Amino acid sequence: DADVTQTPRNRITKTGKRIMLECSQTKGHDRMYWYRQDPGLGLRLIYYSFDVKDINKGEISDGYSVSRQAQAKFSLSLESAIPNQTALYFCATSDSLGRWQYFGPGTRLTVT
Amino acid sequence: GENVEQHPSTLSVQEGDSAVIKCTYSDSASNYFPWYKQELGKGPQLIIDIRSNVGEKKDQRIAVTLNKTAKHFSLHITETQPEDSAVYFCAASGSARQLTFGSGTQLTVLP
Repeated sequence: DADVTQTPRNRITKTGKRIMLECSQTKGHDRMYWYRQDPGLGLRLIYYSFDVKDINKGEISDGYSVSRQAQAKFSLSLESAIPNQTALYFCATSDSLGRWQYFGPGTRLTVT
Repeated sequence: GENVEQHPSTLSVQEGDSAVIKCTYSDSASNYFPWYKQELGKGPQLIIDIRSNVGEKKDQRIAVTLNKTAKHFSLHITETQPEDSAVYFCAASGSARQLTFGSGTQLTVLP
């Protein structure tokens, strides 16, 4: 089984809809991250969590919210999706040093 | 905050030739520099990393060099093979203990 799983893998939604992307990990890591990938822009950090009670905004948090339900689960929500949120979204985990990050397979989100 | 620039954005090489990807960073406090490989339809995977107290690190056909004075680091792949074709990302981690990624390089190894 994969160490970091993301659901759904693909999602098409309409402008204004609320959508949640889920991430689960079996690596036992405390730190979890949500990134967004756009062509030519690399990976940009949306939110990160150092433990269940410690959640922090990243570079591009506007329009997104997160929930850390347990050490192993970290969800990303788009309260009211807009077309420029169309992107590939990755969840990642790391140990307490926050360096060696393990990525999930990604969720391709399309907002029409 | 940290800013990482990566060049080139695309790179094509003949099988067996070498490939070099270069990155520069802005935060002099950065002390950890990983490289990730992303194959089509998959998440990025760490392939090699280097810390600021080391100038060069090798792992079989892959090597990374770091010049702290100039604030740049590079990925070198020798004897390239078709399976090396992928998108490669550099990243830097500094005082904020977060990774800042470069914009990526699409490497194509031509048979």
